[in-house]
Amino acid sequence: SQTIHQWPATLVQPVGSPLSLECTVEGTSNPNLYWYRQAAGRGLQLLFYSVGIGQISSEVPQNLSASRPQDRQFILSSKKLLLSDSGFYLCAWAGSYNSPLHFGNGTRLTVT
Amino acid sequence: AQSVTQPDIHITVSEGASLELRCNYSYGATPYLFWYVQSPGQGLQLLLKYFSGDTLVQGIKGFEAEFKRSQSSFNLRKPSVHWSDAAEYFCAVGEVEGNKLVFGAGTILRVKS
Repeated sequence: SQTIHQWPATLVQPVGSPLSLECTVEGTSNPNLYWYRQAAGRGLQLLFYSVGIGQISSEVPQNLSASRPQDRQFILSSKKLLLSDSGFYLCAWAGSYNSPLHFGNGTRLTVT
Repeated sequence: AQSVTQPDIHITVSEGASLELRCNYSYGATPYLFWYVQSPGQGLQLLLKYFSGDTLVQGIKGFEAEFKRSQSSFNLRKPSVHWSDAAEYFCAVGEVEGNKLVFGAGTILRVKS
């Protein structure tokens, strides 16, 4: 069966520090991969998605970037965090077009 | 571009009572629709999905949803709520390409005993 791992679960970082959040998927190949951010009371905002290695689409301009160095690995990064980057970050995968998204357990990021 | 509206931010129901969570979408073609549930501090779990066919969709945990094209709605229902159903519920609409889901702002369900 397929599983998705996302770490760390919580992270507290000072303003201006770098960020790296990692997500890996097991039990499937060539998944579509996604990063969402959830701010309190504001639903989920799609940040990036990827349909293959090295293929990244950005949905909103921001202080973050994403990379997919391997088929089942998706990384969210920032060179310098802002206070507004605080939130709950969720990684997700899907097996094919129009199949449901399967989410990881999320990372709670607090920028201080 | 597609959008999703969940008009109710919070809903409180008594345990054993029926539940209906509202969802309205905006999308130019036949939508792909989903309901997810999120417990505090956790990821989202898929409850049910609608792609085509029967407009009444059955999901996990006793939930169902009905697609009404004329009303652009996809309301989630459960005949008898359990205390363990307390969580946040998200409706989402999907594009044809790329699995890009657009989510509503969510509805927080509280269950009182």
